[in-house]
Amino acid sequence: SAVISQKPSRDICQRGTSLTIQCQVDSQVTMMFWYRQQPGQSLTLIATANQGSEATYESGFVIDKFPISRPNLTFSTLTVSNLSPEDSSIYLCSVQGDNQPQHFGDGTRLSIL
Amino acid sequence: AQTVTQSQPEMSVQEAETVTLSCTYDTSESDYYLFWYKQPPSRQMILVIRQEAYKQQNATENRFSVNFQKAAKSFSLKISDSQLGDAAMYFCAYEEDQGGSEKLVFGKGTKLTVNP
Repeated sequence: SAVISQKPSRDICQRGTSLTIQCQVDSQVTMMFWYRQQPGQSLTLIATANQGSEATYESGFVIDKFPISRPNLTFSTLTVSNLSPEDSSIYLCSVQGDNQPQHFGDGTRLSIL
Repeated sequence: AQTVTQSQPEMSVQEAETVTLSCTYDTSESDYYLFWYKQPPSRQMILVIRQEAYKQQNATENRFSVNFQKAAKSFSLKISDSQLGDAAMYFCAYEEDQGGSEKLVFGKGTKLTVNP
């Protein structure tokens, strides 16, 4: 399966600032996704990162808060904007090839002061 | 909307014994995929096993096997010869088969403890 590099692995941020998380894959993949895992909870899909077009957001997630880029088939970024304590979570990217299961990066643990 | 239910928040097993984790799901679709993912404390999500709904044969990966009951919408995971490294959160997940690019819907997870 593809090797997925997600950076940073963890960060502590101030309220009101933003954090950009990067997801790099060692091979071209059809689909890339971003998930949020709140403390002690399961994973919830934030959006599907579409190559060359705007991301597709799930209900409850908006582009102004979670802007996503996907400039090519191996790279995507998720920005979490205007940080508040409620944004403290693990953020995970996943990738999926044709007829393949999703594979996940190691996640980014975000804490807000 | 599809839902995935894991009714066991926590389970424990003795090393070398067998444990079964339960999962049920709700869907009106006939073609879909089911998965078990493992998340150790390192937080990485690791694919354990995948089942295609149109295949009647239960999937197996080494010590991990599933009992897929399509009519009952049940998808349990059996771990044989449990090892200390199996301790983790286990998430059951559902994906619709629409070209393989649909989102995963996860259950709330089962925390598995392996006792030496």
